[in-house]
Amino acid sequence: DIQMTQSPSSLSASVGDRVTITCRASQGIRNDLGWYQQKPGKAPKHLIYAASTLQSGVPSRFSGSGSGTEFTLTISSLQPEDFATYYCLQHNSYPRTFGQGTKVEIK
Amino acid sequence: EVQLVESGGGLVKPGGSLRLSCAASGFNFNTYSMNWVRQAPGKGLEWVSFISSSSTYTHYGDSVKGRFTISRDNAKNSLYLQMNSLRAEDTAVYHCVRDDSVWWGDILTGYYVHWFDPWGQGTLVTVSS
Repeated sequence: DIQMTQSPSSLSASVGDRVTITCRASQGIRNDLGWYQQKPGKAPKHLIYAASTLQSGVPSRFSGSGSGTEFTLTISSLQPEDFATYYCLQHNSYPRTFGQGTKVEIK
Repeated sequence: EVQLVESGGGLVKPGGSLRLSCAASGFNFNTYSMNWVRQAPGKGLEWVSFISSSSTYTHYGDSVKGRFTISRDNAKNSLYLQMNSLRAEDTAVYHCVRDDSVWWGDILTGYYVHWFDPWGQGTLVTVSS
């Protein structure tokens, strides 16, 4: 099974900050990686597929990069509505595996 | 509007069974693969199971293999998860999720890239005596 190691597990940031979250795959997964945002009590929302392609309607302050085993999600200027938990998910093979999540909190 | 609505959750004793349903609307259900993803209280997301559009292929997470069965009825636009031999650690909100994809690259060396969208709001399963 492919293990996804996500870091950090949590971070505190201020509105306007640049935030970077990293996911590392235990083996190469091409660009078969997506990013998801979850707010408390809500279903996850899809942000990015194929490591770097923004889902329609997702603000351009979100960006993704990486290929193979190293991936990043960047929020260029954190907004109040971005405080949430973020998960990466590998879509390369079964079983699908998520990262442990990164909780982005208000400093 | 694309919508997924789960039902069938509830309280069940360890060793018991439960069948979850997911009603899909707003898209051609019979052309999409589907998944179940769960989230234990206060924990992260865990992928549970996959079924292809015509039920030809199914996959399961290691923690549920042999106990859970995914199925679908395309005539009823519905997805199901039969859960047997339930354990306390199966307690979670279960989400029904559409599997979308697009061809990536050229026709000779390309491949499908996938993503999960949309997600249903989920149904809570509690396994406790």
